[in-house]
Amino acid sequence: DAMVIQNPRYQVTQFGKPVTLSCSQTLNHNVMYWYQQKSSQAPKLLFHYYDKDFNNEADTPDNFQSRRPNTSFCFLDIRSPGLGDAAMYLCATSEGQGSQETQYFGPGTRLLVL
Amino acid sequence: GQQLNQSPQSMFIQEGEDVSMNCTSSSIFNTWLWYKQEPGEGPVLLIALYKAGELTSNGRLTAQFGITRKDSFLNISASIPSDVGIYFCAGQGRETSGSRLTFGEGTQLTVNP
Repeated sequence: DAMVIQNPRYQVTQFGKPVTLSCSQTLNHNVMYWYQQKSSQAPKLLFHYYDKDFNNEADTPDNFQSRRPNTSFCFLDIRSPGLGDAAMYLCATSEGQGSQETQYFGPGTRLLVL
Repeated sequence: GQQLNQSPQSMFIQEGEDVSMNCTSSSIFNTWLWYKQEPGEGPVLLIALYKAGELTSNGRLTAQFGITRKDSFLNISASIPSDVGIYFCAGQGRETSGSRLTFGEGTQLTVNP
């Protein structure tokens, strides 16, 4: 019973060709997050949505955008992927009801940039 | 900003041995989370801790939220080959929008049969 679903699991794109990664959740959580994770490193938060409110991390490049059309879905758009954007992209969710929360991660999308 | 120091960075152990790893911070956290990540997969939540001093078990795993709220440890007893993976601690401070996590650098665990 998947709770946080990411599609596709593997994505290959060309240098400079826009790509969209998708995430959906069955938990009805208010908050959805996008992380970038490079090999042997901890996940790095790119941005998150609290309901419809978008919160960008200060060091997230403009090349990365996000959309959340409804509670269940959230998208990560990479406008012009560079070789350095090859990474695992993780979506996570949390309830957003208090100051003590648990984040649940999806299985990730591995992005390869050629 | 907040930083977490996780140790050890890697461990090579024999099947059946017990394992201990910990995280320390200079900042206070409200929540400590322990995740396990296997290659090509997302982090899977193992244990969540919400109170200072809390000791919680999940099968062979035990984790504690330090009294000072600045540290946490994870123990794995009687390790088995499927325990192999990277273990991350994560702490959550006081946030009004979502729950921003600070991650440790991870502990790579290898279990030899």
